[in-house]
Amino acid sequence: GAVVSQHPSRVICKSGTSVKIECRSLDFQATTMFWYRQFPKQSLMLMATSNEGSKATYEQGVEKDKFLINHASLTLSTLTVTSAHPEDSSFYICSAGGGLAVGTDTQYFGPGTRLTVL
Amino acid sequence: RKEVEQDPGPFNVPEGATVAFNCTYSNSASQSFFWYRQDCRKEPKLLMSVYSSGNEDGRFTAQLNRASQYISLLIRDSKLSDSATYLCVVNSRGFKTIFGAGTRLFVKA
Repeated sequence: GAVVSQHPSRVICKSGTSVKIECRSLDFQATTMFWYRQFPKQSLMLMATSNEGSKATYEQGVEKDKFLINHASLTLSTLTVTSAHPEDSSFYICSAGGGLAVGTDTQYFGPGTRLTVL
Repeated sequence: RKEVEQDPGPFNVPEGATVAFNCTYSNSASQSFFWYRQDCRKEPKLLMSVYSSGNEDGRFTAQLNRASQYISLLIRDSKLSDSATYLCVVNSRGFKTIFGAGTRLFVKA
């Protein structure tokens, strides 16, 4: 199956700092990438959808100025958590879908990034 | 009402048992359906797509009933390695993906 990588896998930072998470599709071009957040014992919640070369579409309740998404190429999307606070501590997962190499409805998930804000 | 609802867990079953998970969705315009598996502290992995005609992959069988807006997953001959959380996933037009809260399965020796 398609491979999606995420970096870093784990990050611990101080409150007020910004953290950037990268999501890469390694063996296919992803026209669309998704960012999810998962709190313990809860399901994945979609934060935003990004299409290459255009602005991300944020879900209701997600602050676009706090969670900056850049999808500069068909293989890379980044999520920057700005001025992180302890309540932002969560498991952030990206997924990639679309393109000729994969089914348009199938998403392939990155391994996730565990963010802990002290 | 949640857009995608799943059986509350956890399910505790012995090895070799057959276990069934149910999922209902509220958006009748939903177009595609999946079951994902998520291990503890890991990302979800696609288990199988779900088609109206039903589909089977080894010990796993998925069914879709569009009229009742209902999806099921049947696992036969459960293995210890099947222990995980199973997520029902529904896609609607425009690539909007909704995840169910998941059902935890524990298979015990």
